[in-house]
Amino acid sequence: DEQVVETGGGLIQPGGSRRLSCAASGFTVGSNYMTWVRQAPGKGLEWVSIIYSGGDTYYADSVKGRFTISTDKSRNTLYLQMNRLRADDTAVYFCGGCSGNHDDAFDIWGQGTMVTVSS
Amino acid sequence: LVLTQSPATLSLSPGEGAALSCRASQSVASGYLAWYQQKPGQALRLLLYDASSRATGIPDRFSGSGSGTDFTLTIRGLEPEDFAVYYCLHYGSSPTFGQGTKVEI
Repeated sequence: DEQVVETGGGLIQPGGSRRLSCAASGFTVGSNYMTWVRQAPGKGLEWVSIIYSGGDTYYADSVKGRFTISTDKSRNTLYLQMNRLRADDTAVYFCGGCSGNHDDAFDIWGQGTMVTVSS
Repeated sequence: LVLTQSPATLSLSPGEGAALSCRASQSVASGYLAWYQQKPGQALRLLLYDASSRATGIPDRFSGSGSGTDFTLTIRGLEPEDFAVYYCLHYGSSPTFGQGTKVEI
């Protein structure tokens, strides 16, 4: 069974940094593309970043220059390094993967990790 | 690209049918349009991909249609477990979600 588990959330002061992790099992990180999305309290889903198997990365304008997505194949883990955090980054962060069983759709999702940016 | 879902909320009873709309601001490839179900505290569940293909294990009461700028998720005969929030997603190099439709009792 393909699964992902997000960790690393918590309470962070404005301007601070945090690295989120997404540990994968049942499939190989980097074999296909993976993504981070977030959901602010009471709001809808917002795409944050994506990384392709070849290493290409893309970011939402709201996080460009502050967040960095990466993978560590030896740990089979996806990361999101978040710097210069702001109050409006407060959200549950979900990682998503594509098994390839449903064409290019993201079909592997975790339950998320909560990031709260507040002083 | 902006995906607009309507209505924002659907109030229905078990057994009734639901039609959820996802309208794109520009034409999108059907092969990159998916529908997801979200329940509190749970992982996103892929329902449909390529606009109309059901994901593994999804009951056939869920169906999808559409092309270009207009897509629809249809739920035939709502079961109690179907009351949730539904999102459309265009996936590609810059994925975009619709704002969601809540299906409530």
